[in-house]
Amino acid sequence: DTGVSQNPRHKITKRGQNVTFRCDPISEHNRLYWYRQTLGQGPEFLTYFQNEAQLEKSRLLSDRFSAERPKGSFSTLEIQRTEQGDSAMYLCASSFKGNWANEKLFFGSGTQLSVL
Amino acid sequence: QKEVEQDPGPLSVPEGAIVSLNCTYSNSAFQYFMWYRQYSRKGPELLMYTYSSGNKEDGRFTAQVDKSSKYISLFIRDSQPSDSATYLCAMNLPSGNTPLVFGKGTRLSVIA
Repeated sequence: DTGVSQNPRHKITKRGQNVTFRCDPISEHNRLYWYRQTLGQGPEFLTYFQNEAQLEKSRLLSDRFSAERPKGSFSTLEIQRTEQGDSAMYLCASSFKGNWANEKLFFGSGTQLSVL
Repeated sequence: QKEVEQDPGPLSVPEGAIVSLNCTYSNSAFQYFMWYRQYSRKGPELLMYTYSSGNKEDGRFTAQVDKSSKYISLFIRDSQPSDSATYLCAMNLPSGNTPLVFGKGTRLSVIA
């Protein structure tokens, strides 16, 4: 168990380009979350998966954003036609959710996106 | 009104001081309360996890929840320069099937 891994750590792109980020969760965790964080703000929820099913998407998530978690393992977050307002830290977190209500999220180090 | 309010600071204290960090919230249905620590350019790290009202202590850290006032606190005793970080409160509903809601975070500097 090496924790939640995110790649790349940094991404610089030009406005209008597409970008894709990858998250590898802790291996026994069944839930995977994507959050976005801008400077001076707390993480904002984007979407989450339980195994391979995407259970909820925030209304913050525009049509340009898509996330997948094939086979319930790693996940990718793609942003199409990037805009300068997409510049942020994209955080992935995973957890094990059983039949009990409580749940502890473990975060990766994030991917810092800069759109020029 | 945001669901979770947290003073962003910055808060600067001398080494050895007792630090008090706080959050207020508006949704009385929140039952699970967490504190995360985030170092610069790193992801948040879970520090304390409490359920409903009461206190929880772990080493130099104490988390308090007052549901009647919708107010949670994190106390750090004998603060160290290594405690310098942003502290985020987070909370969740009883079902556990909704995402965590975070405060903005309070930036803390402990000066040696």
